[in-house]
Amino acid sequence: DAGITQSPRHKVTETGTPVTLRCHQTENHRYMYWYRQDPGHGLRLIHYSYGVKDTDKGEVSDGYSVSRSKTEDFLLTLESATSSQTSVYFCAISLRGGTEAFFGQGTRLTVV
Amino acid sequence: DQQVKQNSPSLSVQEGRISILNCDYTNSMFDYFLWYKKYPAEGPTFLISISSIKDKNEDGRFTVFLNKSAKHLSLHIVPSQPGDSAVYFCAGEHGSSNTGKLIFGQGTTLQVKP
Repeated sequence: DAGITQSPRHKVTETGTPVTLRCHQTENHRYMYWYRQDPGHGLRLIHYSYGVKDTDKGEVSDGYSVSRSKTEDFLLTLESATSSQTSVYFCAISLRGGTEAFFGQGTRLTVV
Repeated sequence: DQQVKQNSPSLSVQEGRISILNCDYTNSMFDYFLWYKKYPAEGPTFLISISSIKDKNEDGRFTVFLNKSAKHLSLHIVPSQPGDSAVYFCAGEHGSSNTGKLIFGQGTTLQVKP
């Protein structure tokens, strides 16, 4: 199994509070991604990174920011959590384009 | 704009029979397609892929077919086993961007009955 660890695995937070999810990899892969999974929508890309300090937006980036200060860590921040951000969040890594991505175990976030 | 569509939310088959999962796409710039399997409370795991220059790729019980003119791909599982019961996602990648970004379909839940 690819060395990807997401933390926390579960979190309940209140509307309006900031939340940070962490993805840590031990594979030294260049590319890292954050996806959210919602019923009827599959997996949608939030943000991705193609190197340290190099990030870009995905399909559903509004309300989210990311940072990558080290190769192994990719942080996803919900600046002010809303109920629509209740979801399961997955981090993924890949070596390069045209190869498979490996996913973490997911973080279940509930915003009340 | 849904670039990758899996129009069947669910599929039920008998153990030992063939499972066929379908996927349609609209983005003609996709040049790499992947299938992932997902069990409850776990992350998706890579199953099989196909390059747009091929029309078939086989790996054991799993075969993916690509019809570029129809913008359609399918995953065949033969024979189906109860352990194959999971959600299956297809995904496309715009290879020339070289970012590895995947665009996923909505998923199809496969149930294989013993």
